[in-house]
Amino acid sequence: QSVLTQTPSVSAAPGQKVTISCSGSSSNFGNKYVSWYQKVPGTAPKLLIYENNKRPSGIPDRFSGSKSGTSATLDITGLQTGDEADYYCGTWDNSLSGQWVFGGGTKLTVL
Amino acid sequence: QLQLQESGPGLVKPSETLSLTCTVSGDSISSGDYYWGWIRQPPGKGLEWIANIHYSASRYSNPSLKSRVTISVDTSKNHFSLQLSSVTAADTAVYYCARQPRSSSGTYFDYWGQGTLVTVSS
Repeated sequence: QSVLTQTPSVSAAPGQKVTISCSGSSSNFGNKYVSWYQKVPGTAPKLLIYENNKRPSGIPDRFSGSKSGTSATLDITGLQTGDEADYYCGTWDNSLSGQWVFGGGTKLTVL
Repeated sequence: QLQLQESGPGLVKPSETLSLTCTVSGDSISSGDYYWGWIRQPPGKGLEWIANIHYSASRYSNPSLKSRVTISVDTSKNHFSLQLSSVTAADTAVYYCARQPRSSSGTYFDYWGQGTLVTVSS
């Protein structure tokens, strides 16, 4: 069971918007940034969002992130079939002498 | 352009030790601004962080794996390594190495290796 909780799956049609949520606790989201990763089967994870809402170079602005309290969200607008993937949130957790934690992942299906 | 490349045996016998190396090119592992980490993904499951190390040898490990994990860095070869002892079938996974900027406010993994599948089987 993951320290960070994500909805297992979401789906939406091409062109639409989807929101993926990630729920944590005071020991992680309380004072730490969250990052988001896209994982396509057979490829390495790709950093989509870092420090809650920043995009690395090359990531389109269709991807956006936010954090409020102990929850974070990843929004994807203008869905494309190529966005179909698993999405993971991650952050540093201060419990147990410190550890990095990932959410359990959300599978996005583009209908 | 930074690149990370995992290497090591693709098949390990149960109870033995899994050993992987991540070779970094395009940046010095001694730059000081980064941790270097290992993450794995078992078949059909999610991402699991294993451990991180800084060139100064400061390191962190997943509490659930800590007793079996050894992570080390060799600055002369610009690579870092993972050893996981007493492996079982549950350790079968794709293993990734990645770079993590140092930050007191929470960090992230910005560059990843392509991953290497390690199967634990007799």
